[in-house]
Amino acid sequence: GQNIDQPTEMTATEGAIVQINCTYQTSGFNGLFWYQQHAGEAPTFLSYNVLDGLEEKGRFSSFLSRSKGYSYLLLKELQMKDSASYLCAVRDGDYKLSFGAGTTVTVRA
Amino acid sequence: IAGITQAPTSQILAAGRRMTLRCTQDMRHNAMYWYRQDLGLGLRLIHYSNTAGTTGKGEVPDGYSVSRANTDDFPLTLASAVPSQTSVYFCASSDRAYNEQFFGPGTRLTVL
Repeated sequence: GQNIDQPTEMTATEGAIVQINCTYQTSGFNGLFWYQQHAGEAPTFLSYNVLDGLEEKGRFSSFLSRSKGYSYLLLKELQMKDSASYLCAVRDGDYKLSFGAGTTVTVRA
Repeated sequence: IAGITQAPTSQILAAGRRMTLRCTQDMRHNAMYWYRQDLGLGLRLIHYSNTAGTTGKGEVPDGYSVSRANTDDFPLTLASAVPSQTSVYFCASSDRAYNEQFFGPGTRLTVL
């Protein structure tokens, strides 16, 4: 099985940077995903890491260290619309996803 | 249709009743999934199907059944609903079971 931990809540100011950490313990690893979920809506895909290192996509970046069982999602130049839950998910060897409980990010003006 | 649709959007159900949640995708993805999302617990996989004609159990399969008669449809059935099945249910699909999953809009189910 998978054990995935991420902080419950984070608050940051508009224009700032926030880093959401995710640690995992897995029985098999085949990639790590980050999803964004606005209240009352479906999750939407943000990023995917399968090799160690940083993946950058606009204002969002995701980092992975497989040896440490660690990932983070970096949100830069925060905007009010970035207020949402961010879900860390690990894919196992059977290509099934296990999700963390999610981190609710609140952006304040 | 574009993407994944789910029906109904929401439902209030008496305990003991049978209920089928519908999911249809038009992206010709071969893999489909059912999750439930509960506050503080995140998304948990109920059942999945890597291709039409096959299904598998996820983390929380008890009380639920699925079928995959064709590529597009993946219904989830609660044979005899219980209050602990009150949740938001999301259907998802992916291409060849190893790309990102695309989620439907969800069904909010309340069992009384």
